[in-house]
Amino acid sequence: AQKITQTQPGMFVQEKEAVTLDCTYDTSDPSYGLFWYKQPSSGEMIFLIYQGSYDQQNATEGRYSLNFQKARKSANLVISASQLGDSAMYFCAIDYSQFYFGTGTSLTVIP
Amino acid sequence: DVKVTQSSRYLVKRTGEKVFLECVQDMDHENMFWYRQDPGLGLRLIYFSYDVKMKEKGDIPEGYSVSREKKERFSLILESASTNQTSMYLCASSLYGYGYTFGSGTRLTVV
Repeated sequence: AQKITQTQPGMFVQEKEAVTLDCTYDTSDPSYGLFWYKQPSSGEMIFLIYQGSYDQQNATEGRYSLNFQKARKSANLVISASQLGDSAMYFCAIDYSQFYFGTGTSLTVIP
Repeated sequence: DVKVTQSSRYLVKRTGEKVFLECVQDMDHENMFWYRQDPGLGLRLIYFSYDVKMKEKGDIPEGYSVSREKKERFSLILESASTNQTSMYLCASSLYGYGYTFGSGTRLTVV
């Protein structure tokens, strides 16, 4: 069974606009962690943001925020004020006994 | 900052060759992982290790083996490279309960 689902293979956003990348997950374990990674064309996976399953507040890191809706099993990434350098692949992952990654969303920021 | 270093960014090998992909981390992490990444499939776990000389199969171990003789080094071995092993290979390390730190990846082409 798919543990992590990213339904948007590709997204476009205008520079300086906000964009939401979708992620849903599937686990019955009450304790888990949710992560988002960015992968630019250079190939390196860069950690962006983390949300623990018991965290009451949505995680934020600069222009990144995680819209965590536990009942819906959803952990969407919101990027505010998009920049050209945000163009990359974005992966959602869940840490539950081991890491499971989604298939990724390719984000293109248009000038 | 934790660094995970993969010895090669790009490799081209011939079918049937034995291929070694090396990964070294410098922060004394117990856990190390090898993934392959293919378009539309996300990251798939090949092997992982929680300790020196310890290894566990991931989701797609066929055609691969690993070696962990020292804590900081985790090697992925393609016993007899085949064209369907052409892929991006990512190494990662972690402390239990924390996110992964990835290397910059190795793009392997088998001809």
